[in-house]
Amino acid sequence: DAGVIQSPRHEVTEMGQEVTLRCKPISGHDYLFWYRQTMMRGLELLIYFNNNVPIDDSGMPEDRFSAKMPNASFSTLKIQPSEPRDSAVYFCASSEDRGNEQFFGPGTRLTVL
Amino acid sequence: AQSVTQPDIHITVSEGASLELRCNYSYGATPYLFWYVQSPGQGLQLLLKYFSGDTLVQGIKGFEAEFKRSQSSFNLRKPSVHWSDAAEYFCAVGAVKTSYDKVIFGPGTSLSVIP
Repeated sequence: DAGVIQSPRHEVTEMGQEVTLRCKPISGHDYLFWYRQTMMRGLELLIYFNNNVPIDDSGMPEDRFSAKMPNASFSTLKIQPSEPRDSAVYFCASSEDRGNEQFFGPGTRLTVL
Repeated sequence: AQSVTQPDIHITVSEGASLELRCNYSYGATPYLFWYVQSPGQGLQLLLKYFSGDTLVQGIKGFEAEFKRSQSSFNLRKPSVHWSDAAEYFCAVGAVKTSYDKVIFGPGTSLSVIP
């Protein structure tokens, strides 16, 4: 298995633009997680899905952030409009169970100018 | 719900020296416990995990961790550190006993290795 795949690996955009991050989980994993990592706040859980259904989005910072999982092999995290404070590394992870080990993707480094 | 703390923000050790990274958790029952490592510019990689059974767990890259229920701890150890071990280390606690349970990550400990 190729592991969790994220794209793009790097994204540089200007304030106000829409940003879409993509994730392909490991096949057979029922849970998918989106995290944000910054120096100031560490690793934060934004949202997670079970069988394509959003279960807990309490970590989503504000309405500018949205996430979807249209099928078992694809998820997106969208920021619209983006702001400089959204600059961070965004990780996607998947697992067989919400309390079990998670497999992380390589992350997307987002820079909002 | 569970919680996890890593008391040391940053640790520096000499190459060849032993290492112990601390992790304490809070949970009403025996949780699932994990240690992850993150090298610069990389995602998190699982080093080892504890679910049940033997409280001393062996992982990859020569790491081990010991679950101590009485101290609510799951400290990570390595007898001899290599320069390539310099990275960020995260302890995590997981559980699935209630609908609120999930994996919670600690704040991380940054490890520097002096040649």
